[in-house]
Amino acid sequence: DTGVSQDPRHKITKRGQNVTFRCDPISEHNRLYWYRQTLGQGPEFLTYFQNEAQLEKSRLLSDRFSAERPKGSFSTLEIQRTEQGDSAMYLCASSFLGSLAPLHFGNGTRLTVT
Amino acid sequence: DAKTTQPNSMESNEEEPVHLPCNHSTISGTDYIHWYRQLPSQGPEYVIHGLTSNVNNRMASLAIAEDRKSSTLILHRATLRDAAVYYCILGNGNSGYALNFGKGTSLLVTP
Repeated sequence: DTGVSQDPRHKITKRGQNVTFRCDPISEHNRLYWYRQTLGQGPEFLTYFQNEAQLEKSRLLSDRFSAERPKGSFSTLEIQRTEQGDSAMYLCASSFLGSLAPLHFGNGTRLTVT
Repeated sequence: DAKTTQPNSMESNEEEPVHLPCNHSTISGTDYIHWYRQLPSQGPEYVIHGLTSNVNNRMASLAIAEDRKSSTLILHRATLRDAAVYYCILGNGNSGYALNFGKGTSLLVTP
């Protein structure tokens, strides 16, 4: 078990640019989640996948955000036309099936939009 | 969604027990109480969860009030490595498992 891996750890981009983050979950886990965390706040749910199907999306996930999980393995989160308000830590988590399966988080990708 | 209320911060001495409170007066019958913690510069980490009965694991104990309107996470002997933000979250797994973290309690452990 190598844990949840996220890449890159840090990303600095200029407003208006597109960015893409990658998450590699624990290999046996069926579910994959994306969260966003701003300074001083707890993580906020964005979306989750069960295998390759995206089953739930938060209202926080605007049209500029898109997430994919092809083949039910790794996932990508893309933000188009970034805004300064997108600056945050983006966290990925994975879990087994089951409503009580604990979430295993990665250490996140910190995005700074200048 | 049912919400939780936690103190913003708490302080403890090393090697002493720590009791972290959480109020959840609007909890529903199917809501489980989950605790996660987040160490500095890391993602959150699962600690424990329960429904009605008190629960113990290698990390902590969870004491749940009889009316389920409050709970307490107990760290039996705090270490410096326990300094983290502790989140108390309600979730029942219906339509997904979108845990809603609040601001949590920032625990400071002093030597």
